Amino acid sequence: GAGVSQSPSNKVTEKGKDVELRCDPISGHTALYWYRQSLGQGLEFLIYFQGNSAPDKSGLPSDRFSAERTGGSVSTLTIQRTQQEDSAVYLCASSIDRVATNEKLFFGSGTQLSVL
Amino acid sequence: LAKTTQPISMDSYEGQEVNITCSHNNIATNDYITWYQQFPSQGPRFIIQGYKTKVTNEVASLFIPADRKSSTLSLPRVSLSDTAVYYCLVGPEGYQKVTFGIGTKLQVIP
Repeated sequence: GAGVSQSPSNKVTEKGKDVELRCDPISGHTALYWYRQSLGQGLEFLIYFQGNSAPDKSGLPSDRFSAERTGGSVSTLTIQRTQQEDSAVYLCASSIDRVATNEKLFFGSGTQLSVL
Repeated sequence: LAKTTQPISMDSYEGQEVNITCSHNNIATNDYITWYQQFPSQGPRFIIQGYKTKVTNEVASLFIPADRKSSTLSLPRVSLSDTAVYYCLVGPEGYQKVTFGIGTKLQVIP
């Protein structure tokens, strides 16, 4: 597609439920990132995928968070047993290639997650 | 990675030039300086990137002094649609792992 697509745009769930957030990166982009943005805060790095390499999971806040990227394209961020503090906007970004130092990120519009 | 400091908020009238300065005293030799813009309910958007001196594109200019310990994003003749949060990032390859910080919230006033 023309840009990074995220779905759903809004998700309301109950505490303790699992949720899945989807990201379709720009076609041809090999790197994909997930960020979390709490209200009024900056972006917090969660996880990074680069081609077929093992993902960089160093930013995941707990073992309730996991992510997959199938076929080097679509990615799914899964949050198990959601907690109220998980409420935030989850942003996905892609870039052409991680190797270049002057890399540019292209972001989706995010998924607003609300945990009641 | 270099720590950045930028003002939390700024106000400007329409038509004025806006300069947002970011301090990064411990910038490394291979670090680039990148600015992103974020509108409400949207993800950040790349604005400009530079390494030294001055960079200009259709959106903004980026001024970087010789010591590279700071940088200034310059937005010419702002309009209401420039109201957004502006983030300054400093880092080499892999800098995307870093949190973006709170950024500078620019409010353009009619």
